[in-house]
Amino acid sequence: DAGVIQSPRHEVTEMGQEVTLRCKPISGHDYLFWYRQTMMRGLELLIYFNNNVPIDDSGMPEDRFSAKMPNASFSTLKIQPSEPRDSAVYFCASSPGTGVRYEQYFGPGTRLTVT
Amino acid sequence: RKEVEQDPGPFNVPEGATVAFNCTYSNSASQSFFWYRQDCRKEPKLLMSVYSSGNEDGRFTAQLNRASQYISLLIRDSKLSDSATYLCVVKLISGTYKYIFGTGTRLKVLA
Repeated sequence: DAGVIQSPRHEVTEMGQEVTLRCKPISGHDYLFWYRQTMMRGLELLIYFNNNVPIDDSGMPEDRFSAKMPNASFSTLKIQPSEPRDSAVYFCASSPGTGVRYEQYFGPGTRLTVT
Repeated sequence: RKEVEQDPGPFNVPEGATVAFNCTYSNSASQSFFWYRQDCRKEPKLLMSVYSSGNEDGRFTAQLNRASQYISLLIRDSKLSDSATYLCVVKLISGTYKYIFGTGTRLKVLA
């Protein structure tokens, strides 16, 4: 299996621009998670999906952030308009289920810099 | 108070040393516990799950104390390749289901 795939790996954009991050989960995994990681705050859960349906988006910082999962093999995280404080590494992760022993598998991340 | 707290370190130890990391969590709805490892500029990867009775995987031993809401990781005979950040992770199943990550403890094993 190829693992969780994210694109782009690096993104540099100017303040005010729209940014779209993409994720392909591991085939057969029913759960997909979006995280943001910064030095100050560590890894923060933004939103997660179960069977393509958003379940908990309480971590989405504000209305500038939106996430979609149109099918089982694709998800996007969009920031519009972007701000310098959005600079971080954004990870996508997937998991096969909710059992207590299920782990999460992370993609390589997208390093976002907003200037 | 953070839901999952870890000493950020860094812990600088010589090769062959034994080192222990601690983690405390505040949410009693916490159901499962893990240690993840994250190398510099890489994604987190599962190191080991933490079972109530404690568990061992080679040089790594994890312990859980539910009464004190405390998790530990012990690394014996440290290798240079153990240098990384170790993330304590708590899984909540209360209404929603989510993983809460600590900010990590950085370990540097010195030759």
